[in-house]
Amino acid sequence: NAGVTQTPKFRILKIGQSMTLQCTQDMNHNYMYWYRQDPGMGLKLIYYSVGAGITDKGEVPNGYNVSRSTTEDFPLRLELAAPSQTSVYFCASSTGTGAEQYFGPGTRLTVT
Amino acid sequence: SQKIEQNSEALNIQEGKTATLTCNYTNYSPAYLQWYRQDPGRGPVFLLLIRENEKEKRKERLKVTFDTTLKQSLFHITASQPADSATYLCAFPSYSSASKIIFGSGTRLSIRP
Repeated sequence: NAGVTQTPKFRILKIGQSMTLQCTQDMNHNYMYWYRQDPGMGLKLIYYSVGAGITDKGEVPNGYNVSRSTTEDFPLRLELAAPSQTSVYFCASSTGTGAEQYFGPGTRLTVT
Repeated sequence: SQKIEQNSEALNIQEGKTATLTCNYTNYSPAYLQWYRQDPGRGPVFLLLIRENEKEKRKERLKVTFDTTLKQSLFHITASQPADSATYLCAFPSYSSASKIIFGSGTRLSIRP
């Protein structure tokens, strides 16, 4: 089991560019999440999904989009990158409500 | 809206002592609380979950309490070791949706030899 994998590990974007952060889990978990973590801060929920075809907004969804076409994959799309989106992005998965979340290693994104 | 607060300052503890971290919440009574550990440059790792009808939960040297009257959870590490140095995060489900998990900002714990 690889668990939760994220690509890329690091990325530098110019203002206005777009990119997709990839997240894949091989644990057959229904729930998946995207968080961002700014330096010295906790995790902020961007989007989450309770199953394939179902997504919902978290605390800070503006500037992001997601899709969930399969159980395994939950990509996060950044359109028109802004410096405020400089952060570390974590993907996580769980079996359901109340269950522990398994986190990926994170993607460190810098927008300049 | 609900708020979750953890000690914003780092906690420095002598090895062997008990470390106690606090998680306070307002405007809501969650059905459970989770605690995670995060090492620098890595994703959080789940440690413990405590439900509202449980006063205390233990796992090896870890103990979590949940006081719904005080709206507070305490996380204890007994016989602390330098390897316990990390940031500890508490989390609970949002009042608007049990599927949305809200995290505190975390408390950085340093155990000195």
